[in-house]
Amino acid sequence: EAGVAQSPRYKIIEKRQSVAFWCNPISGHATLYWYQQILGQGPKLLIQFQNNGVVDDSQLPKDRFSAERLKGVDSTLKIQPAKLEDSAVYLCASSSRRLANEQFFGPGTRLTVL
Amino acid sequence: DQQVKQNSPSLSVQEGRISILNCDYTNSMFDYFLWYKKYPAEGPTFLISISSIKDKNEDGRFTVFLNKSAKHLSLHIVPSQPGDSAVYFCAASAMNYGGSQGNLIFGKGTKLSVKP
Repeated sequence: EAGVAQSPRYKIIEKRQSVAFWCNPISGHATLYWYQQILGQGPKLLIQFQNNGVVDDSQLPKDRFSAERLKGVDSTLKIQPAKLEDSAVYLCASSSRRLANEQFFGPGTRLTVL
Repeated sequence: DQQVKQNSPSLSVQEGRISILNCDYTNSMFDYFLWYKKYPAEGPTFLISISSIKDKNEDGRFTVFLNKSAKHLSLHIVPSQPGDSAVYFCAASAMNYGGSQGNLIFGKGTKLSVKP
């Protein structure tokens, strides 16, 4: 079974630029999560999708972050414009309905904002 | 305010000995707890979990203990192996009003080093 795929793995941008991350969850997993992990911290949930609907985006900075999962499979997370404090690893995870608590994580995208 | 706390940023253990990683939580509504393991440049990997109706769950060399009255859980690795060297995250969730499990709240992690 293929795991959660993410791209790119690394990205370096200047502040005020835009960036987008892509995630392909495990096949059949209805729930998809985007996390932000700042150095020295644990992952923090940004947004959760159930199929193509948003379940929780309470911690997503909506003035600059957006995410979509149009067909209930792949997802993209966008930051526009980026700030220095957005430097972090962005992790995508997915889970099945049967084992909703056990989330499977992708390798993450390390973003550096200069 | 951190709801899940891992107060030891790092732990060093000799190969073959027991590793004990600790985690404290403040939210009494949490009813499901998980441990994730993370290697550098990889995403966290699920290791073991425990429901609040239990006080112990064992899977091979890994055992998680839950003390609800103290709001404390611990992960025991016996015997420790060099390949166990990684960052270990404790996570917790609570049941939503709708009956589904809520989001995972992670601790900051503990870096375990197992020396040969």
